[in-house]
Amino acid sequence: QSVLTQPPSASGTPGQRVTISCSGSNSNIGNNPVTWFQQLPRTAPKLLIYDNNQRPSGVPDRFSGSKSGTSASLAISGLQSEDEAEYYCAAWDGSLDGFVFGPGTKVTVL
Amino acid sequence: EVQLVESGGGLVPPGGSLRLSCVASGFTFSSYWMHWVRQAPGKGPEWVANIKEDGSKEYYVDSVKGRFTISRDNAKNSLYLQMNSLRAEDTAVYYCARAVGSSSSFWGQGTLVTVSS
Repeated sequence: QSVLTQPPSASGTPGQRVTISCSGSNSNIGNNPVTWFQQLPRTAPKLLIYDNNQRPSGVPDRFSGSKSGTSASLAISGLQSEDEAEYYCAAWDGSLDGFVFGPGTKVTVL
Repeated sequence: EVQLVESGGGLVPPGGSLRLSCVASGFTFSSYWMHWVRQAPGKGPEWVANIKEDGSKEYYVDSVKGRFTISRDNAKNSLYLQMNSLRAEDTAVYYCARAVGSSSSFWGQGTLVTVSS
């Protein structure tokens, strides 16, 4: 059972907005920055968002992150077919002295 | 170009040992925390261990403490994971990763470890 909680799936039609939640506790999200990763089939996870809401160069601005208290969210605006992937949140956990990942959310483009 | 290339995976019986290696290129290896992260078939990633830039500090997930040891050789731009007393539940793709929780995060393509008799 994961320390962080995510919905198992989310979906939308092309152009729609999809939001994925990530819930944790004070020992992780509440006191540490959240990172989001995208994993396409048969590839390694790739950095999507760091420090709660920062996008690395090369990541389209339709991806955005936010955090409030012990929860975080990833939003995909203007959903595209290539966004169909698994999305994971992660954060350092000060009680466990280690990184924790969410179980992942599978995004499907209808 | 940043590259992380893992090797050393394979099939090992329960109770056996394996040593994973990761060779880094395209960046100053000695300037980054390095990590091992694993992903069991059909599951999400699980962070395994990390090691400070100079090798002076290490952290491990509880399930591998006492069995796995992370190390690095900055002169060889290499990261290692010594895995002993392997169990079926250690079966996974093992990724070498740079700076998991920061803007510099980058992952290799992984090496598969299968623990089975």
